[in-house]
Amino acid sequence: DVKVTQSSRYLVKRTGEKVFLECVQDMDHENMFWYRQDPGLGLRLIYFSYDVKMKEKGDIPEGYSVSREKKERFSLILESASTNQTSMYLCAIGRGLEQYFGPGTRLTVT
Amino acid sequence: QKEVEQNSGPLSVPEGAIASLNCTYSDRGSQSFFWYRQYSGKSPELIMSIYSNGDKEDGRFTAQLNKASQYVSLLIRDSQPSDSATYLCASLWGQNFVFGPGTRLSVLP
Repeated sequence: DVKVTQSSRYLVKRTGEKVFLECVQDMDHENMFWYRQDPGLGLRLIYFSYDVKMKEKGDIPEGYSVSREKKERFSLILESASTNQTSMYLCAIGRGLEQYFGPGTRLTVT
Repeated sequence: QKEVEQNSGPLSVPEGAIASLNCTYSDRGSQSFFWYRQYSGKSPELIMSIYSNGDKEDGRFTAQLNKASQYVSLLIRDSQPSDSATYLCASLWGQNFVFGPGTRLSVLP
């Protein structure tokens, strides 16, 4: 079974704060992804990584950065949180051709 | 722009009926397709993958792929109220997924 965990289920932060969202997998998967999901806009890819210290921009990278220092951990960083970053954040790992999601973090920025 | 389109619904079916969910995609280069189920407030869960033309069955679920017409469908037989969820269609392009907006299914007892 694929297991993907995310650091928090719910998070409330203030505008301007630096926010870290962590994703951890318990298998040796190379590919990891960060998405956000908003009503009416669907799932949008923020960043992805195919290996340690490697990162690629997705469709909406502005306002975000990522870090992958160890294979099992992929962090999403909001450098200065804004209200338009209130969303559900989903981490996923790739296994073969398939993608599996973590439980998600619902972030509210006030 | 690679796109995956779905009817947002809601699609309502009575318990025990067949639910039919459809999806079209724009990129002829896509080779792999997936259906995810997402309950309200939860993350998407992979339920079916299909890679070649034709039908693929798994329990009450059947995925159908027609590459010539660029559509994918998901049939749910003997629908149950627990099947009520949003169903996301996705295609794999290169190493990245393109997701549709999802179809909300409501199975009425």
